[in-house]
Amino acid sequence: KNQVEQSPQSLIILEGKNCTLQCNYTVSPFSNLRWYKQDTGRGPVSLTIMTFSENTKSNGRYTATLDADTKQSSLHITASQLSDSASYICVVSARGSGTYKYIFGTGTRLKVLA
Amino acid sequence: NAGVMQNPRHLVRRRGQEARLRCSPMKGHSHVYWYRQLPEEGLKFMVYLQKENIIDESGMPKERFSAEFPKEGPSILRIQQVVRGDSAAYFCASSPPSSGGTYNEQFFGPGTRLTVL
Repeated sequence: KNQVEQSPQSLIILEGKNCTLQCNYTVSPFSNLRWYKQDTGRGPVSLTIMTFSENTKSNGRYTATLDADTKQSSLHITASQLSDSASYICVVSARGSGTYKYIFGTGTRLKVLA
Repeated sequence: NAGVMQNPRHLVRRRGQEARLRCSPMKGHSHVYWYRQLPEEGLKFMVYLQKENIIDESGMPKERFSAEFPKEGPSILRIQQVVRGDSAAYFCASSPPSSGGTYNEQFFGPGTRLTVL
């Protein structure tokens, strides 16, 4: 069964600190993995996207890693800011028959405190 | 190039009424996806449409829910005889025609928050 699990479920950190969010998946056949940021009351916005052959991808203070062997990904946030408070969603897509299936994790809710 | 647009942003219905949610994809995008997000939960896939075709509706409840993406105009998610359990945020996403590669990014709209009284 295709599944995406994220941990922790929620996280509180102080402004300026770093944090790492985890994503484990069992999706086949794997196509790519994305991390999205969803602010409260808004739609998700893409942060990074990685294919099977990519190990790491950065977008400013966000760095995503992918280990396709262990089927794990992480999102590292450096020097957190108050505006980083949001839900971070890991999405894995599987390709089959010319279309894509997108399997969403339940997200990690990050709260950055001043 | 405007992003994905959804309207209304907020919709209140009484039990038994119909809800119609609209989604206008980004310009040039021919693929539309609908997702439902219950409070404190992740997004759940409902249906994937291309112009005039339903490609995958495996996440759509069998009864009361329907979706369309006509040749002209927005995609519509229709919920008949709404119940309290339908209260959720409904997000639409669009993507460009598949190029055959592995990048097929979805761009999300701001969502419609449906409240059933």
